[in-house]
Amino acid sequence: TQLLEQSPQFLSIQEGENLTVYCNSSSVFSSLQWYRQEPGEGPVLLVTVVTGGEVKKLKRLTFQFGDARKDSSLHITAAQPGDTGLYLCAGSVAGGGADGLTFGKGTHLIIQP
Amino acid sequence: GAVVSQHPSWVICKSGTSVKIECRSLDFQATTMFWYRQFPKQSLMLMATSNEGSKATYEQGVEKDKFLINHASLTLSTLTVTSAHPEDSSFYICSARVGGGILQETQYFGPGTRLLVL
Repeated sequence: TQLLEQSPQFLSIQEGENLTVYCNSSSVFSSLQWYRQEPGEGPVLLVTVVTGGEVKKLKRLTFQFGDARKDSSLHITAAQPGDTGLYLCAGSVAGGGADGLTFGKGTHLIIQP
Repeated sequence: GAVVSQHPSWVICKSGTSVKIECRSLDFQATTMFWYRQFPKQSLMLMATSNEGSKATYEQGVEKDKFLINHASLTLSTLTVTSAHPEDSSFYICSARVGGGILQETQYFGPGTRLLVL
């Protein structure tokens, strides 16, 4: 059973469209991070959310942490070809005792010009 | 800030040899570093947690005698794949945690090391 369910796994849309990626769990997370990974490179941190209901914006990217801290979403407005990549959500389970991050399976995003 | 480097970026070796991968935090001290493995088109899987000055904690299913981890200083952790076999071929990524504060669980990742065992 995947602790963090990320959807969709694959998404191909046209430039200028909007999209939302979801990250859901039955567990409560003390914090949740969103990363973007290019082929052959390590993940690059986009944002960390820690407070239930928190909303953070990074240019055209909007990140939201659910009130119960069990889910998160990434919304991209007016997607551009440069947004193409693998988007990963990852988090630490509250009180889980584990240090490492649990990752979702990722969303492969392709923005076609 | 929070830059993590890995060396080498890629390595090709013969089956049966050992390969060492270095992970360095360049502009901060990391009491905890993590090693992940990623297969093509898949997400990252945590292999082990490396704490400075103590033994690494391995995830279930990861052989500690095959994947030796040493965290000798606050800026360096090494992963040695011993007696590598083709099935060990993968993308190995390390991360370092910036300790302290509300964002202490945030991890910064290295660029990864591509290992190909022939």
